Amino acid sequence: ETGVTQSPTHLIKTRGQQVTLRCSSQSGHNTVSWYQQALGQGPQFIFQYYREEENGRGNFPPRFSGLQFPNYSSELNVNALELDDSALYLCASSLVAGVEYEQYFGPGTRLTVT
Amino acid sequence: SQQGEEDPQALSIQEGENATMNCSYKTSINNLQWYRQNSGRGLVHLILIRSNEREKHSGRLRVTLDTSKKSSSLLITASRAADTASYFCATGDNFGNEKLTFGTGTRLTIIP
Repeated sequence: ETGVTQSPTHLIKTRGQQVTLRCSSQSGHNTVSWYQQALGQGPQFIFQYYREEENGRGNFPPRFSGLQFPNYSSELNVNALELDDSALYLCASSLVAGVEYEQYFGPGTRLTVT
Repeated sequence: SQQGEEDPQALSIQEGENATMNCSYKTSINNLQWYRQNSGRGLVHLILIRSNEREKHSGRLRVTLDTSKKSSSLLITASRAADTASYFCATGDNFGNEKLTFGTGTRLTIIP
């Protein structure tokens, strides 16, 4: 197992509500990326944070937002939840250190929107 | 959007046999990585191959990369029941950019 943790494990929300998902990076890592994985699909990149600044964003609307804290942990916030937001949300931490890098994924948060 | 496709979508083989999965992608890349995912949980990094490499080995894994065909293959030799999982290829596009673009995955089942 990696040292990346996510909370909560499962979450059920109603359409229109807001949700916050949390991620603790592996020790020493300063970069966190968030991915959305719909059932039967590969993960899709939402955004990445490097040293508390957004460092790239995928094709997701502004109601998906994030934060990275000084200890490099991170939050993913989703406002005005829609049914299609139901998915497994994965965070991955890494250390930007040159040519090669490896992303360490957490176990994910399964979000169900009803 | 997905970068590409894995082929086949699902594969079932007997324990001890070799498993081969293929990945195609669409744009130029800096590197290609393979990940394993068990039961819809977190992904585990298996191997990374750079765009200037053609083949790489790690234990029972062998990865090839053909940038002219925009394709890669993952070979798992002497498969074990514990290899049952979904396998994804992911491409990194820019040097130092850690955004990964994943394929659709191959569901591998090893029959004991």
